[in-house]
Amino acid sequence: QSALTQPASVSGSPGQSITISCTGSSGDVGGYNFVSWYQQHPGKAPKLMIFGVSNRPSGVSDRFSGSKSGNTASLTISGLEAEDEADYYCSSYTSSSTQIFGGGTKLTVL
Amino acid sequence: QVQLQESGPGLVKPSETLSLTCAVSGYSISSGYYWGWIRQPPGQGLEWIGSVSHSGTTYYNPSLKSRVTISVDTSKNQFSLKLYSVTAADTAVYYCARPTRRDSTSSGFDIWGQGTMVTVCS
Repeated sequence: QSALTQPASVSGSPGQSITISCTGSSGDVGGYNFVSWYQQHPGKAPKLMIFGVSNRPSGVSDRFSGSKSGNTASLTISGLEAEDEADYYCSSYTSSSTQIFGGGTKLTVL
Repeated sequence: QVQLQESGPGLVKPSETLSLTCAVSGYSISSGYYWGWIRQPPGQGLEWIGSVSHSGTTYYNPSLKSRVTISVDTSKNQFSLKLYSVTAADTAVYYCARPTRRDSTSSGFDIWGQGTMVTVCS
């Protein structure tokens, strides 16, 4: 299985909004509403930010939102803050009952 | 509070077997969930290795399936990873994790161990 496709990097200024895309296929992203997003700071374990395409775990800021259209899922972060600077990964359930991750996106807050 | 803790050798020789254990506290593995292993080579992205249910049902990444065994030990409340015939490409931080959904491998992982670095080197 090939990794989901994410942009290598995105950037934005404090207060702005950014969107990170995650493109797969009908066998993963497009076929199921089981897309998750993770935030990872250097040297730390990933933190789940979004599950089930658009659901936020308890404690995650409502500045983070998820959506999906066809084979592409998106993570939007509004009101960017310095602490949002991190790597972000998407993942999806697949038709083989497996999980697949995206290659990751480095978010820089300017 | 559910906590996961990986343990195992930090150095493995090429062609040998990498063995890691994830100890679970604050929750009984026998009660459910598909417990997962994920790895991250230095400076690279995350890779799902596989998952095991409380009853021993397993799902593996197709690219690793021929070299991986994940098992569960409910008596010790832990699950384990074995990766055979390792090479330098298997050098990574290995994480164990629990998903949000109890009954399938479909959901994201919301509880993670701290990760353990394994280096493959002679």
